[in-house]
Amino acid sequence: KNEVEQSPQNLTAQEGEFITINCSYSVGISALHWLQQHPGGGIVSLFMLSSGKKKHGRLIATINIQEKHSSLHITASHPRDSAVYICAVGEWGNTGNQFYFGTGTSLTVIP
Amino acid sequence: NAGVTQTPKFQVLKTGQSMTLQCAQDMNHNSMYWYRQDPGMGLRLIYYSASEGTTDKGEVPNGYNVSRLNKREFSLRLESAAPSQTSVYFCASSEAHGRLGELFFGEGSRLTVL
Repeated sequence: KNEVEQSPQNLTAQEGEFITINCSYSVGISALHWLQQHPGGGIVSLFMLSSGKKKHGRLIATINIQEKHSSLHITASHPRDSAVYICAVGEWGNTGNQFYFGTGTSLTVIP
Repeated sequence: NAGVTQTPKFQVLKTGQSMTLQCAQDMNHNSMYWYRQDPGMGLRLIYYSASEGTTDKGEVPNGYNVSRLNKREFSLRLESAAPSQTSVYFCASSEAHGRLGELFFGEGSRLTVL
């Protein structure tokens, strides 16, 4: 069973393009996380959100709790945005936060 | 700001050898996690510790043991390494007392078992 589904799995874009990565989930959540992983690198948190929309620079994350869906948008994409983007949902329970992860979207931005 | 520190970053083992991956966090988090990451699969939970003194199995615990030494440290041990344990391992921590607990990762440990 996949609690978190991401699409697309792979994405290639020209520099400057607007990019959207989608995430759907099936569990009840306390928060949804967008993570970034550069090739051979560690994993960093981009956003944590439980409702509405958040914006950091050229990155925007939205969530629709009723539809159990989130999107990550990158405006004016740049080659340095090339990375794997991972959607994760946090489910709060008696033993603290449990996290479920999508398999990631591999983004390549071509100059 | 150290955040989550894990060692070693790289390790090559022969089948049957043992090793311990070390993880420490300096954010006073209650919850700590060990995940493995394999190509084409999402991060899979090996073990977690909701608080000091407690540990629980995750999705793929077979072949691993853990120790929550204190609030800062959470180690992962492979007693008898197998080629199927070749993977990238990530330690993570989160604040359990907040529903909106942000997740922090270490840099990863790349393990190859020959």
